[in-house]
Amino acid sequence: QVQLVESGGGVVQPGGSLRLSCAASGFIFSNYAMHWVRQAPGKGLEWVAFIRFDGTGKNYAASVKGRFTISRDKSKNTLYVQMNSLRPEDTAVYYCAKGGERGTYFFDSWGQGTLVTVSS
Amino acid sequence: QTVVTQEPSFSVSPGGTVTLTCGLSSGSVSTSYYPSWYRQTPGQAPRTLIYNTNTRSSGVPDRFSGSILGNKAALTITGAQADDESDYYCVLYIGNYIWVFGGGTKLTVL
Repeated sequence: QVQLVESGGGVVQPGGSLRLSCAASGFIFSNYAMHWVRQAPGKGLEWVAFIRFDGTGKNYAASVKGRFTISRDKSKNTLYVQMNSLRPEDTAVYYCAKGGERGTYFFDSWGQGTLVTVSS
Repeated sequence: QTVVTQEPSFSVSPGGTVTLTCGLSSGSVSTSYYPSWYRQTPGQAPRTLIYNTNTRSSGVPDRFSGSILGNKAALTITGAQADDESDYYCVLYIGNYIWVFGGGTKLTVL
């Protein structure tokens, strides 16, 4: 059974940094692409970042490009996102999501999310 | 900038059928966008319903179906139940490892 557990959320001041983690289990982590998706309070879902199964390809939403970095550690079955230069509009619940089988382009399973609040 | 459009809200009677749509601000949605659909109730993580236009995710009842209708992707729910009341999101893959969510449709069952 796929399990994704996010951690690392909290309160941070504007301009600050935070690193989120997503511990994966129940599947062969190194075989699947992974994503970060966020949801601001009372708003819809927004795709944030993608990393290929082997870590060789990445991309980001325009709203976070240049500030966020996605990475993965296959020895720890863990996905990360390093968030720098945080802004109040980055306040959201951040979900990690497992990609589908290769050749598919969707979010197969979801974690429960971790809340990031950017406020002074 | 790619904008994915969804009806902000929709209502359906219990036992009824509803079709939610997912379009593009400019252009048509086709299977090449690999449309997928998710539902979310307040305070919960999203749940995957449909991917690759019309493939049901594991455990999703066949009351849920996906298709292309005209120039949009569509999610049809038949035999609506009270617990179908949720927010429904579509996502399109626009290439180059970029995905775009629609704004979501709040479905009311009454």
